[in-house]
Amino acid sequence: DTEVTQTPKHLVMGMTNKKSLKCEQHMGHRAMYWYKQKAKKPPELMFVYSYEKLSINESVPSRFSPECPNSSLLNLHLHALQPEDSALYLCASSLSASGYNEQFFGPGTRLTVL
Amino acid sequence: TQLLEQSPQFLSIQEGENLTVYCNSSSVFSSLQWYRQEPGEGPVLLVTVVTGGEVKKLKRLTFQFGDARKDSSLHITAAQPGDTGLYLCAGVPGAGSYQLTFGKGTKLSVIP
Repeated sequence: DTEVTQTPKHLVMGMTNKKSLKCEQHMGHRAMYWYKQKAKKPPELMFVYSYEKLSINESVPSRFSPECPNSSLLNLHLHALQPEDSALYLCASSLSASGYNEQFFGPGTRLTVL
Repeated sequence: TQLLEQSPQFLSIQEGENLTVYCNSSSVFSSLQWYRQEPGEGPVLLVTVVTGGEVKKLKRLTFQFGDARKDSSLHITAAQPGDTGLYLCAGVPGAGSYQLTFGKGTKLSVIP
């Protein structure tokens, strides 16, 4: 299995909703990442988990809450989002968060906040 | 913060033409990756280059890493409509952070 999967593919939510994005990989990778990507822009790093511990939080607002239940799963909990949070949310994984850091991306979740 | 300048930003060519995309920096990178991304999808890793002067070929795509590991290029021969997409270069800085620094991307359109 050489892929990263993400669910759901699309998500529409109101500003008062609580929802979660899910990411899974079975490549034995020990680093997992959340990125946010706006249209026609490169991905922006949000969080890095290394060996199931949060190692980097790029000053992301607290309405985004990551969770890494085990080495294969990564969640992003969403609460009280703003319309400007609408974007493509990408999960990625790599063997480790060091070295060449070759990252493999999932297909993304297209989030729309109304 | 180490920056990657990618050019051109947009490229529209006819099927069968050749093209080159550039990724330049004033800083050294320990490795550099090229991705292709289609609308609404995640980036797909095409190649990783790690050695100065390295050249890798993937069918009609040729990737080169500069001798000083500060720049890279992607050359496509006889472009096909299926090559259409956003091409992103991303580098791991030579010292300090191991996180990817992305270029702004090149939006390629190949017209049949």
